[in-house]
Amino acid sequence: GQQLNQSPQSMFIQEGEDVSMNCTSSSIFNTWLWYKQDPGEGPVLLIALYKAGELTSNGRLTAQFGITRKDSFLNISASIPSDVGIYFCAGRSGSRLTFGEGTQLTVNP
Amino acid sequence: NAGVTQTPKFQVLKTGQSMTLQCAQDMNHEYMSWYRQDPGMGLRLIHYSVGAGITDQGEVPNGYNVSRSTTEDFPLRLLSAAPSQTSVYFCASSYSNMGRSSSPLHFGNGTRLTVT
Repeated sequence: GQQLNQSPQSMFIQEGEDVSMNCTSSSIFNTWLWYKQDPGEGPVLLIALYKAGELTSNGRLTAQFGITRKDSFLNISASIPSDVGIYFCAGRSGSRLTFGEGTQLTVNP
Repeated sequence: NAGVTQTPKFQVLKTGQSMTLQCAQDMNHEYMSWYRQDPGMGLRLIHYSVGAGITDQGEVPNGYNVSRSTTEDFPLRLLSAAPSQTSVYFCASSYSNMGRSSSPLHFGNGTRLTVT
């Protein structure tokens, strides 16, 4: 089946620092999505990318759809304590959405 | 607006018991799906449905059954629970154009299942 490799698995940063995480795959996807999950809740969509090369921002978040359609990255600028959580990438092919393993982000005030 | 509602929130089963995890959405979404979340493995698709009366297998379907008799409901059945099915289960839904920004995948808050 399709697999996504997400890195890093975890990050410990100081408030105010920038964060970068990425996902790679051997498969091509038509859509890349980035989700955030808070403890005890379901994932919530942050950014959706639909075209190769697309760069999209949502506040302090910026994500890009890789030109090969096999990768994507998410950047968070000037992190704040409420950025804490698990971030998932997801690639869509047809009706299926495949998720990465997640990046656990910890922000120290 | 309730969104995606999952019940129960927590469940403990003995090996071999059967149960149904309920999922309901009130957004008239055509697409519904079930995922399981395990540490270090992200979310893995169990089954999905693109509309009432239509279901299909995902990545890890073994040991689970689904049905979609109505647009609103998509129950997940464990026929004979096994310890390997200990996990957090998420139901998600969207309009048929799944993944587009105008139709994001909405997740429920999960069911935490322990099989002893």
